[in-house]
Amino acid sequence: GENVEQHPSTLSVQEGDSAVIKCTYSDSASNYFPWYKQELGKRPQLIIDIRSNVGEKKDQRIAVTLNKTAKHFSLHITETQPEDSAVYFCAAILNQAGTALIFGKGTTLSVSS
Amino acid sequence: GAVVSQHPSWVICKSGTSVKIECRSLDFQATTMFWYRQFPKQSLMLMATSNEGSKATYEQGVEKDKFLINHASLTLSTLTVTSAHPEDSSFYICSASSRGLAGGGHEQFFGPGTRLTVL
Repeated sequence: GENVEQHPSTLSVQEGDSAVIKCTYSDSASNYFPWYKQELGKRPQLIIDIRSNVGEKKDQRIAVTLNKTAKHFSLHITETQPEDSAVYFCAAILNQAGTALIFGKGTTLSVSS
Repeated sequence: GAVVSQHPSWVICKSGTSVKIECRSLDFQATTMFWYRQFPKQSLMLMATSNEGSKATYEQGVEKDKFLINHASLTLSTLTVTSAHPEDSSFYICSASSRGLAGGGHEQFFGPGTRLTVL
């Protein structure tokens, strides 16, 4: 089955800097890779996703890149702000036949002003 | 659009009792619903996948007789934690997806979660 590895587990940056979080997956058949932001005690919120037919997707300060050959995808946040501080999870589809997601272990991002 | 609610938001119960958690899709019909468990400072762990009208598919290591899942309609799924014990204390989150929504059913919409504390 699918396995998702996420690095780093914690990331501290200064306001205005960029932050990059990386994930690798094991199942080459996976075709959907979302990123979620979760604040303490709240539900995960989808911030961006990418499908296997594209290599990059951008939405304002957030971008995701996908390398299918290497089976890894990354989240890029530019011009970080204190409100970006949260736990970020990457995920991948469990198997091509379904829509269940397997999550990475999460990255705690701290943006200091 | 695509709102998912959960009830209750938190519950405290005594060891040995059963607790039912409801998950509802409010403005769409959910083809599939998922149940996750999240321990403090950990990731979301998929417990089971359920499709309306059929038995849930449980992940390895999740006891189906302890975590009863019912998906009786396209807008409601319930998770019952039977004979709860302190080690079952966790944050339980449901999500729902629909092939009828944009994206072909891949995107999952999460409920707000239920904090279960077993004394």
